[in-house]
Order: sequence, then structure tokens, then C-alpha cells
Amino acid sequence: GEDVEQSLFLSVREGDSSVINCTYTDSSSTYLYWYKQEPGAGLQLLTYIFSNMDMKQDQRLTVLLNKKDKHLSLRIADTQTGDSAIYFCAELNSGATNKLIFGTGTLLAVQP
Amino acid sequence: KAGVTQTPRYLIKTRGQQVTLSCSPISGHRSVSWYQQTPGQGLQFLFEYFSETQRNKGNFPGRFSGRQFSNSRSEMNVSTLELGDSALYLCASSFTGESHQPQHFGDGTRLSIL
Repeated sequence: GEDVEQSLFLSVREGDSSVINCTYTDSSSTYLYWYKQEPGAGLQLLTYIFSNMDMKQDQRLTVLLNKKDKHLSLRIADTQTGDSAIYFCAELNSGATNKLIFGTGTLLAVQP
Repeated sequence: KAGVTQTPRYLIKTRGQQVTLSCSPISGHRSVSWYQQTPGQGLQFLFEYFSETQRNKGNFPGRFSGRQFSNSRSEMNVSTLELGDSALYLCASSFTGESHQPQHFGDGTRLSIL
């Protein structure tokens, strides 16, 4: 079935690293994404990873993919107060082009 | 380059009415997808249009429909509105619809049903 799970809440101190975790179920997913949603706004694409990759780094963001365990994580280095938002992971449904299956979202609270 | 534009940003309707939401994709993007976001159900896929054809559809009743025009702009229509239709409706566009092109989202239309 289609199910993407995330922990609901993460609190970190400014300057620390944040790690947001996600598990997915579709082993045929080709791409996995991370989106950020700030209050009153839509979804901002942060980064994405192809399923044949283990890791992708983009400035302060590092994505790790464990395909065997169907586990995806997003690490934010040197977390800032502006990083406070809801983070969604999403898998691209293997059976339907451009259908994203989203997780429940993780609320990241950054304490100054 | 302008992002995905959704209009209106806010709408208030009453039960039984119908509503049309609009989405203008990023210039050059031909695929437009719609999602519903609610606190209870999260983000759910409604449908996707590519070259004026509905390519995929989610598990929503027939009251939810859409269309895409030759300039790739898309509209979503909800008829006979119910209280449970209150949600943030998000539109996303991508270039060719190929799987390696990520989707970019607009800021959404917040629909409230009284």
C-alpha cells in the first residue's frame, strides 16, 4: 500500500544539526523528495534523490537513503531559526506519473 | 522566472455551492497536478493534467473535476460543496511530466465552507 511515515515533532537549538526521518513503503519508487512548508505558504522543494543513490548533499542539506530499509533522512547542518517549518518527505508513486505520496510532516522548532 | 500562481488565495463558500480554482504553471511547464491538504488527511493527490488530458486521478468523488487549457493553465472545480471540502488546495507544475522533473508548488487556495 501507499504509506509514508514521519515523526511529528522535532526541537533543536540554533546552530545544532537537525535530522528528520521518513519511512516509505513503495520499493519501486524512483524518486524521493523533501519539501518545506512555512505558515500560510505552499510547499517549497528543498531537494530530491534518485533511488539508486545513497546520499546527496546540497549546501547545508544532506539526504541519506537506505533503500533496503526504505528509510530516508534529511540532515540540516547549522540549523537556523528561519528553518522552523513543517518538513514533508514524499515518494513518487511508481504506478502513476507525477503522483506524490506525502508523509504526515515533521514540525521542526528551532530554539534560539 | 515567475513561480506557480494560484488564484484566489482565499475563498469562503457555503454548503451546496460550487467553486472554481485556477492555477498558472511555471512558464514552459506542461504538467499540472492538484493536491488537497487538510489537518486530518494531510496531503492527498487529486489529479494530474498533461497536454490538456487528465493523466492520473486520485481517490476523490466525482464532485472534484478539473481541466487544462492549451496554455497549460489549469482549473479545478468542486460542485455541491460539503463542510469536509474545507482545505488548502495546492497546485504543482513540472516541465515535461517525466519522473526526473520535480514538481514545484504554488502557495495554494484556502477554501472555507460555512
